[in-house]
Amino acid sequence: EPEVTQTPSHQVTQMGQEVILRCVPISNHLYFYWYRQILGQKVEFLVSFYNNEISEKSEIFDDQFSVERPDGSNFTLKIRSTKLEDSAMYFCASSGQRSYNEQFFGPGTRLTVL
Amino acid sequence: GENVEQHPSTLSVQEGDSAVIKCTYSDSASNYFPWYKQELGKRPQLIIDIRSNVGEKKDQRIAVTLNKTAKHFSLHITETQPEDSAVYFCAASKVLTGGGNKLTFGTGTQLKVEL
Repeated sequence: EPEVTQTPSHQVTQMGQEVILRCVPISNHLYFYWYRQILGQKVEFLVSFYNNEISEKSEIFDDQFSVERPDGSNFTLKIRSTKLEDSAMYFCASSGQRSYNEQFFGPGTRLTVL
Repeated sequence: GENVEQHPSTLSVQEGDSAVIKCTYSDSASNYFPWYKQELGKRPQLIIDIRSNVGEKKDQRIAVTLNKTAKHFSLHITETQPEDSAVYFCAASKVLTGGGNKLTFGTGTQLKVEL
């Protein structure tokens, strides 16, 4: 069964550094998402992406964040200048055209900002 | 924006008993309500979902009910087993104008099934 994959599984960075989190959505899916989960808390929506454009973003997704689909398979989240409070698990998700509601999550990237 | 409340935050049951987790949502535009199970350090896994045109859905030991008028939905797990122990999240979803849908999650319920 196809799955969403994410790399790296764990990223440690210094405050102020840029990080890029990578995701490979399920191949025939058209809608892509990023969510984050601070340890012990609920999953929070960051951004949705469709047809090479952001379709919605949350108030968390400020100018420090950007997303890109650089090729036909990858979907990336960039944080330009990381802050301590960016430490969290970041999940990528994707959904298909016929059943666009059902979002399938990747295994996550644990980002630790020191 | 949408707000999803979830109760209880922790739930401990004996193996074989039933477990019920309840959620409420605020945005009447939400039309899809999935439930995710998350084991420690793992990804959220979709276990069941319900759409706004349906009042109840069942899949083996798991069932979900939806009351649109009251904006309530609930997860019912019967004959609980130790492997059901995990954090369960409800979510409410609405379609985005630009495409796709946005999930708003509840705060999670830590379910512990004791032998």
